[in-house]
Amino acid sequence: QKEVEQDPGPLSVPEGAIVSLNCTYSNSAFQYFMWYRQYSRKGPELLMYTYSSGNKEDGRFTAQVDKSSKYISLFIRDSQPSDSATYLCAVVPATYKYIFGTGTRLKVLA
Amino acid sequence: GAGVSQSPSNKVTEKGKDVELRCDPISGHTALYWYRQSLGQGLEFLIYFQGNSAPDKSGLPSDRFSAERTGGSVSTLTIQRTQQEDSAVYLCASSLAREQYFGPGTRLTVT
Repeated sequence: QKEVEQDPGPLSVPEGAIVSLNCTYSNSAFQYFMWYRQYSRKGPELLMYTYSSGNKEDGRFTAQVDKSSKYISLFIRDSQPSDSATYLCAVVPATYKYIFGTGTRLKVLA
Repeated sequence: GAGVSQSPSNKVTEKGKDVELRCDPISGHTALYWYRQSLGQGLEFLIYFQGNSAPDKSGLPSDRFSAERTGGSVSTLTIQRTQQEDSAVYLCASSLAREQYFGPGTRLTVT
C-alpha cells in the first residue's frame, strides 16, 4: 500500500464549479499536510498547509484534514480556467521528509 | 524576493555522459532538497541538506548520483554515466521551517 494515494484524474469541471480534490494516507504519524499546485512545465507552488484536523481557508481555497479517517481534501470555490493545473498533496511526519501523492490533473472549462 | 532558481532549465545528453544540475536556494534557507519527477509519477525524494551536510541521502537511486552543497547555499546534483531511465524533471526545494519552496526544475533527457 502506498503511503499517500491520490486519484490522478483528469478531473474536468465547468467554470464556477466547486472542486474537491482528495488524498488518503496510511500512517497516523503524519502531522503536517500540504497542498501544492503545479502548472505544466513549472515547479510546484505551495498553496496551503495544515497541522491539525479541521479546516483552513485561504480565499477560494479550503484545506480539510480528517485524521480519524486519514483523509485530506482541498476545495476550490468558484473555480476558474486559471486553476487548471496538477494538484499535489504531501504528508509530513515529524521530520522534514515530504511524501507526495502522484497529483490530480484538474481542467476548468470556460 | 527571489525564489529558488535552477539551471539549466533543459538538458539533453547522450547516454553515458555526465551531467551537473545546479540549484540556487532562497537566500537564508538552511535546508535544501532534491526531488525527481517522472511522467505520471509523484515527486521522488533524492537527498536532503541541512547547511552543507547531507543527513539523508537515502533517495539517491544509485552510486551514479551524487550531490554537494557549498557555503550553505548553492547545490549541485551530478549524474555520472547517464542512462535513459534517468530522464525526468529534477526539482530542487529549499526551506527555513516546515514549508518547502520549489524551483522550476531541470528537464533532463537522455538520448
